[in-house]
Amino acid sequence: DVKVTQSSRYLVKRTGEKVFLECVQDMDHENMFWYRQDPGLGLRLIYFSYDVKMKEKGDIPEGYSVSREKKERFSLILESASTNQTSMYLCASSLGGYNEQFFGPGTRLTVL
Amino acid sequence: GQQLNQSPQSMFIQEGEDVSMNCTSSSIFNTWLWYKQDPGEGPVLLIALYKAGELTSNGRLTAQFGITRKDSFLNISASIPSDVGIYFCAAANAGNMLTFGGGTRLMVKP
Repeated sequence: DVKVTQSSRYLVKRTGEKVFLECVQDMDHENMFWYRQDPGLGLRLIYFSYDVKMKEKGDIPEGYSVSREKKERFSLILESASTNQTSMYLCASSLGGYNEQFFGPGTRLTVL
Repeated sequence: GQQLNQSPQSMFIQEGEDVSMNCTSSSIFNTWLWYKQDPGEGPVLLIALYKAGELTSNGRLTAQFGITRKDSFLNISASIPSDVGIYFCAAANAGNMLTFGGGTRLMVKP
């Protein structure tokens, strides 16, 4: 089975802090994704990566950056956290196409 | 914004009842997926559909890819308490990102 793990289940940070969310997948998938999930807004794509060191903006990239130095690891970075970035963050990966995505358990981030 | 409309938004049913939910779009898609999200967890892929008209089962779950390519349906037979969660539909065309529906929240009364 595909396993996607995220570094933290719950995280509390202060406004202005730099925040790193880590995601690791163990099935040699080419594609990795970062979403945020908010009540009433569903899942929104922040960034995705189709190869090592390659990244593309999703629907809501503002205030975020990403890093993919190794195939199995995709990091989401909040350069200066703000309260409106309080959310559930979900990482996903897929093998060839972008369709069958497998999700991690999520990180619930609270920015105070 | 979201292009997939899921209904109903929530359902509260008795254990043992069958459940039906659907997902519609004004656009045509070549792939339809159904995910379930347990409280506090990430979505888990339940069923993937790749052909218009296709009917696929996974245990008590059955999903269909609508013949018009603009909709999909998920049925759960003989619901049990662990069916509780949010069910999401998602759809895509080749080379494009997934579009997600807003989810159907299912609650089961023992």
